[in-house]
Amino acid sequence: DAGITQSPRHKVTETGTPVTLRCHQTENHRYMYWYRQDPGHGLRLIHYSYGVKDTDKGEVSDGYSVSRSKTEDFLLTLESATSSQTSVYFCAISDLSMQYFGPGTRLTVT
Amino acid sequence: AQRVTQPEKLLSVFKGAPVELKCNYSYSGSPELFWYVQYSRQRLQLLLRHISRESIKGFTADLNKGETSFHLKKPFAQEEDSAMYYCALRGNNAGNMLTFGGGTRLMVKP
Repeated sequence: DAGITQSPRHKVTETGTPVTLRCHQTENHRYMYWYRQDPGHGLRLIHYSYGVKDTDKGEVSDGYSVSRSKTEDFLLTLESATSSQTSVYFCAISDLSMQYFGPGTRLTVT
Repeated sequence: AQRVTQPEKLLSVFKGAPVELKCNYSYSGSPELFWYVQYSRQRLQLLLRHISRESIKGFTADLNKGETSFHLKKPFAQEEDSAMYYCALRGNNAGNMLTFGGGTRLMVKP
């Protein structure tokens, strides 16, 4: 597996609370991505980063923000979690040839 | 806009039977197509990419630009092939982003 870790791996939180998910890479790749995985929808891009402090929105960015202060870390924040954000979140990195995925974070918003 | 469609959510076959997982895409330029596989509760792994024209674990996929398809095939399914399969497209975008289909769950029965 490419050097990608995600933390936490599982989280249960209440509606309205803030949540931050972390993606960490040891590959020094420029591009990093956050996806959510939902049955029937496959993976949908939330946000991506093309360098330190350079980020852009994906297909389903509403309710999410990201930050990348270092090459190796890409943070995904849910400012005020909602039940519709219950999902599995995958981070990915890219060296321009293909994307490599992290192990995922299962988030449940009650 | 780019779109990937996997018409079958579930495909169930017996061990030793041929398998074909369908993938259709829409994109105005020349895309790059991928198949990713996700075994139970694991991270996504790249299975095939059309430009490499490899056969991985007995699977092959041919890009048909006329029919805008990239179907995944295997002549004899094995029980260990049971997994979620995702078709993905990368267009000519600066962010190296992938668009995923909704996924097909393959179940290979003994």
